[in-house]
Formats: sequence, C-alpha cells, structure tokens
Amino acid sequence: GAVVSQHPSWVICKSGTSVKIECRSLDFQATTMFWYRQFPKKSLMLMATSNEGSKATYEQGVEKDKFLINHASLTLSTLTVTSAHPEDSSFYICSASTPIQGMNTEAFFGQGTRLTVV
Amino acid sequence: SQQGEEDPQALSIQEGENATMNCSYKTSINNLQWYRQNSGRGLVHLILIRSNEREKHSGRLRVTLDTSKKSSSLLITASRAADTASYFCATDAKGNNRLAFGKGNQVVVIP
Repeated sequence: GAVVSQHPSWVICKSGTSVKIECRSLDFQATTMFWYRQFPKKSLMLMATSNEGSKATYEQGVEKDKFLINHASLTLSTLTVTSAHPEDSSFYICSASTPIQGMNTEAFFGQGTRLTVV
Repeated sequence: SQQGEEDPQALSIQEGENATMNCSYKTSINNLQWYRQNSGRGLVHLILIRSNEREKHSGRLRVTLDTSKKSSSLLITASRAADTASYFCATDAKGNNRLAFGKGNQVVVIP
C-alpha cells in the first residue's frame, strides 16, 4: 500500500514554544490530508482536514490559530502547534487518502508523533 | 462527533481462539473500514466494506455489515499473539469525505 511518513515520531518541547509536525505522502499525491489527535486509550479525534492549495477545514472546538495547518504541495502537509502548553501533550496522527467520486477509500496513516510539552 | 462506535470492551483470549468485535454507527454511510493500531503507532488499514456489501473476507478476517441495523462486526479467526492491538472501525458518511472513528477495542491474545 501507499506510504505516509510523519516526522518527528516524538518531540519534547518547553511550554510556550512552537512545534512543527510534517506529514508526507511518499508515493502518491494526496489532495486531502487529515490531522487527528489521540489521547491514551482513546479513539482518534479529527482536528482538521488539510486541502492542498486552500485553507484547512477545522472541526468544531479546534483552535485554528493554535494548530496551524499548511498544505503547500500534493505530498506535504504540516501541523504547527503554536505556543504549546502541557495540555497540548498528546499523540498526533496524520492520514491521507485519494477520494474516488467523492467517497473515501483506504486511508494511509503516518506513524504518529508523540508530543510532550514540559 | 464520532459516528462509529464500537461496543466499549476489551477482549482477552487464548491464542487460536476467535475474536469478535462489533461496531455501530448512526448515519448513512458510503463504506465502513476497520483499522488496527499497535500501541503508540499509526493505524493500519485492514478491510473496507461498501454499503452495498454484506460480508467480506481477507485472510483470517471476516467483516459483516448490516446497514438496516447500522452495525458491523470484525471476526479474527485463529488468533495469534501478534494480533494483540487496538481495533477501530471508521465510517465514511454520505455527504462528507471525513472518516469518523469509533472508540476502539483492545484485543489481547495470550500465547
């Protein structure tokens, strides 16, 4: 199957700093990528839909100024957690798929990024 | 909001036994997918079943879909220790291109 690479796999940062997470589709073009957040022993919570060449669509309750998303090319989307605080510590996962006729097909996930804010 | 909702259960079974998980959802869907997640890792796609399909097989996996009951089941036959993971269903609701994930089932296969 297709490969989605997410980097870094883990990061520890100081409170107040910003952290950038990259999500790359290595062997296919992804017009749409998704960013999720996952708490321990919980399911994935969709944060936003990243669209190549346009603004991201954020889910209700997700601060767009806090979680900046850029999808500048068909193979790269980035999520920047700005002014991180300990409550932002979580597991962040991206995914990409190539909808066919408006329907989602198999989604390919990055390996996730464990963010710890101290 | 999450559309797919598994029954919130953890399964602990002996190697060789079958494991069954259920998933329910609320809206009309285009398809339903099952994913597997090992601890601290990304998700791996297992199987996709379309809304006009009732049953699908892939290796030791068997998925059923009952659109009248808005439910699906995942059966893993002849489980192995390596099947230990969390399993999530995800629905692709008609009208949007977002996947909604359920709570997940943690399966532990004891060697």
